[in-house]
Amino acid sequence: SQQGEEDPQALSIQEGENATMNCSYKTSINNLQWYRQNSGRGLVHLILIRSNEREKHSGRLRVTLDTSKKSSSLLITASRAADTASYFCATDVFNTGNQFYFGTGTSLTVIP
Amino acid sequence: DAGVIQSPRHEVTEMGQEVTLRCKPISGHNSLFWYRQTMMRGLELLIYFNNNVPIDDSGMPEDRFSAKMPNASFSTLKIQPSEPRDSAVYFCASSLTAPFEAEQYFGPGTRLTVT
Repeated sequence: SQQGEEDPQALSIQEGENATMNCSYKTSINNLQWYRQNSGRGLVHLILIRSNEREKHSGRLRVTLDTSKKSSSLLITASRAADTASYFCATDVFNTGNQFYFGTGTSLTVIP
Repeated sequence: DAGVIQSPRHEVTEMGQEVTLRCKPISGHNSLFWYRQTMMRGLELLIYFNNNVPIDDSGMPEDRFSAKMPNASFSTLKIQPSEPRDSAVYFCASSLTAPFEAEQYFGPGTRLTVT
């Protein structure tokens, strides 16, 4: 089963608004990463946050991690039409060996 | 750098045929990953290599799937024989350091259709 579940599945906002996506996971992680995928394209890495970190910023992106709740959020501020894409969280899980699980994704539409 | 290169970009084949997908990682990257993406199952990690050595192939769905990395600049994913349920987009990715410790760079994918 999927390690990560994202919420909402789809989000539609006006340009200039903020977009927040959430990711919940099931087991302890080493790190959590966020990726973006434009339709029909490969994934692009956005941010990596380690299990001992609580917040990271990159430009208009802000990621938080709450390991006690096994959840993360991605905030995109001042959204642009070019931000329209699917966003995935992915977790690095160490069990008997390292495994990497992608979430189900959030489809974001930014309306100009 | 040209990024991760995958070929072919599209492949249409008949059930029972052998399919070989190819990947050239970014020069200097130590880890290589193969993923499959479908609507039903999302993105799944199939296998990954570190320094050309397969580390974990537990995501490979069946024995019909095999992957090799004969050198640091080339990897293949082979399906033999192919089945309609193998239809998916297959991505190759590479990263600079040990698996999952750093960002992965994805190729554009190969869209496989098995009829």
